[in-house]
Amino acid sequence: ETGVTQSPTHLIKTRGQQVTLRCSSQSGHNTVSWYQQALGQGPQFIFQYYREEENGRGNFPPRFSGLQFPNYSSELNVNALELDDSALYLCASSLAGASSSSTLHFGNGTRLTVT
Amino acid sequence: AQSVTQPDIHITVSEGASLELRCNYSYGATPYLFWYVQSPGQGLQLLLKYFSGDTLVQGIKGFEAEFKRSQSSFNLRKPSVHWSDAAEYFCAVGARAQGGSEKLVFGKGTKLTVNP
Repeated sequence: ETGVTQSPTHLIKTRGQQVTLRCSSQSGHNTVSWYQQALGQGPQFIFQYYREEENGRGNFPPRFSGLQFPNYSSELNVNALELDDSALYLCASSLAGASSSSTLHFGNGTRLTVT
Repeated sequence: AQSVTQPDIHITVSEGASLELRCNYSYGATPYLFWYVQSPGQGLQLLLKYFSGDTLVQGIKGFEAEFKRSQSSFNLRKPSVHWSDAAEYFCAVGARAQGGSEKLVFGKGTKLTVNP
């Protein structure tokens, strides 16, 4: 069973640039969620994708966007990067569309630094 | 709005000692509750979860947690801590996101240091 994999592991960008983070779901999982974890904080929900559509969103501006592909992998795109976007971005996959009874399986994250 | 409070930012225990990490939640209905562990530079690993039924939940690595509705608490316990338990621990509650999907609302975490 292949776990959740994220790439790249680390990334350094300049304020105002755009970034794309990638996530491959665990085998058999059809739902992907993205979380932002700032230093010293708990993860915060960005959005969730199911059947290639966003079906849930947290309190993040529109410059945070995503995609889910037919193979259930996903991308997180952030435009116009700000210094406060520096964080660990975690991808989690699960089975089924919208149930907390579905356990989230997290990847190891992408550490984004904005300078 | 749903929220999770972990009152202890940092806890230090000796190896072999017992451990209790506190978690209080705010949620209107019967909550789904979770404990995750995060080692440095790693993602989150699920230790245990509570959905319904028995209020004492057993998890991996010898951890257990007890759901107390009257106290809105879901404290994590381990009778004897090992040095490998040093990590950051997050309590989370399931909630509904805009758009209808479920999401997890996390506390700020408790960092556990284990002394030899």
